Amino acid sequence: QLHLQESGSGLLKPSQTLSLTCAVSGGSISSGYYSWSWIRQPPGKGLEWIGYIYHTGSTYYNPSLKNRVTISLDMSNNQFSLKLSSVTAADTAVYYCARRVSDDSGDWRFDLWGLGNLVTVSS
Amino acid sequence: QSVLTQPPSASGTPGQRVTISCSGSSSNIGSNTVNWYQQLPGAAPKVIIHTNNQRPSGVPDRFSGSKSGSSASLAISGLQSEDEADYYCEAWDDSLNGLLFGGGTKLTVL
Repeated sequence: QLHLQESGSGLLKPSQTLSLTCAVSGGSISSGYYSWSWIRQPPGKGLEWIGYIYHTGSTYYNPSLKNRVTISLDMSNNQFSLKLSSVTAADTAVYYCARRVSDDSGDWRFDLWGLGNLVTVSS
Repeated sequence: QSVLTQPPSASGTPGQRVTISCSGSSSNIGSNTVNWYQQLPGAAPKVIIHTNNQRPSGVPDRFSGSKSGSSASLAISGLQSEDEADYYCEAWDDSLNGLLFGGGTKLTVL
């Protein structure tokens, strides 16, 4: 069974860069049927898509975050990463990594999620 | 305010049928499929309906989804206390060229 596990910085100061890694176990991130995503959830609020990356390295980012976000793959360690620059208190959230899978009709959905990693931005 | 609009709350008594709506536009729900996620307290979301009305293996058939035009709905029949959770709709938006989540609906089982 495939598992996703987030790790990384938990407490940041404003203007710093958030850095998180999602380790994938039980399967390979090089498969073409999946994309690898980051989603966040501010405390007590709803879900916000950050972006995703395909095994080819192609990326799609939320337009509202695009200027600050980088998602990358590390095939050798079977993991993918998120960097978010110039953080503010508004970036305080639980950050989830997730796998997005496509079916035969070409429709996509998030089928596996990590447990989440709380990142707090405070001076 | 989310582009995909959900009621912030819904409620029902055990055994009842509850419906949660998700209203969008021609650029998202109107032209793309909808997925629904259940988030239990303190847990990560879990897909319960994909591609408008498909249930993943293991999801009870009490859960069903539908789509008409630019709106979608999640129905839960035979409501159980364990269904108390937050529910989110999700769809791609062609105009924004990005993925959208609804604002979420908190379901309370009375």
